[in-house]
Amino acid sequence: EPEVTQTPSHQVTQMGQEVILRCVPISNHLYFYWYRQILGQKVEFLVSFYNNEISEKSEIFDDQFSVERPDGSNFTLKIRSTKLEDSAMYFCASLIARGANTGELFFGEGSRLTVL
Amino acid sequence: AQSVSQHNHHVILSEAASLELGCNYSYGGTVNLFWYVQYPGQHLQLLLKYFSGDPLVKGIKGFEAEFIKSKFSFNLRKPSVQWSDTAEYFCAVNSKGTYKYIFGTGTRLKVLA
Repeated sequence: EPEVTQTPSHQVTQMGQEVILRCVPISNHLYFYWYRQILGQKVEFLVSFYNNEISEKSEIFDDQFSVERPDGSNFTLKIRSTKLEDSAMYFCASLIARGANTGELFFGEGSRLTVL
Repeated sequence: AQSVSQHNHHVILSEAASLELGCNYSYGGTVNLFWYVQYPGQHLQLLLKYFSGDPLVKGIKGFEAEFIKSKFSFNLRKPSVQWSDTAEYFCAVNSKGTYKYIFGTGTRLKVLA
């Protein structure tokens, strides 16, 4: 069964450092997402990406964050200068997209980011 | 703004007990509704989904959910839980025709053997 893969599974970084989280969405999917989950809290939407550009982003997704699809398979989330409050599990998801019933999101296993 | 509420944050049940997890959403338009499950150390997986038609939907592993439009609710049920159902359960809403999915805070279920 096709799946979304994410790397790294866990990254520890110092405050102020740049971090890149990588995702390989399912190959025929068209929409890509990043969500994050701070420990014990809800799954929060960060950004969605379609046709090589951001389609929607939340208030959390400020100038410190960026996304990119550098080639035909990877989808990356970059945090330019990490803060302590960026510590969370980051989930990548993809969506095939079919009209009004857009289908369900398929999630990766997450990348746990710990900022010290 | 759209929001999803899951009122039970932690639920502890014994095996064979019945389960009902609440989910309410706020949005005036038509929606697609989902329940996801996250087993310890794993990614979110789809349990079931509602797009239209019969408001009682059946999912995997004996779970079902009922969409009550008048109550803006999509509660998850299972008649008899098993120890292996220990997981976190997330309700999610998507406005039809859009690509934004909003998740609830999750309910952590622990089933005692």
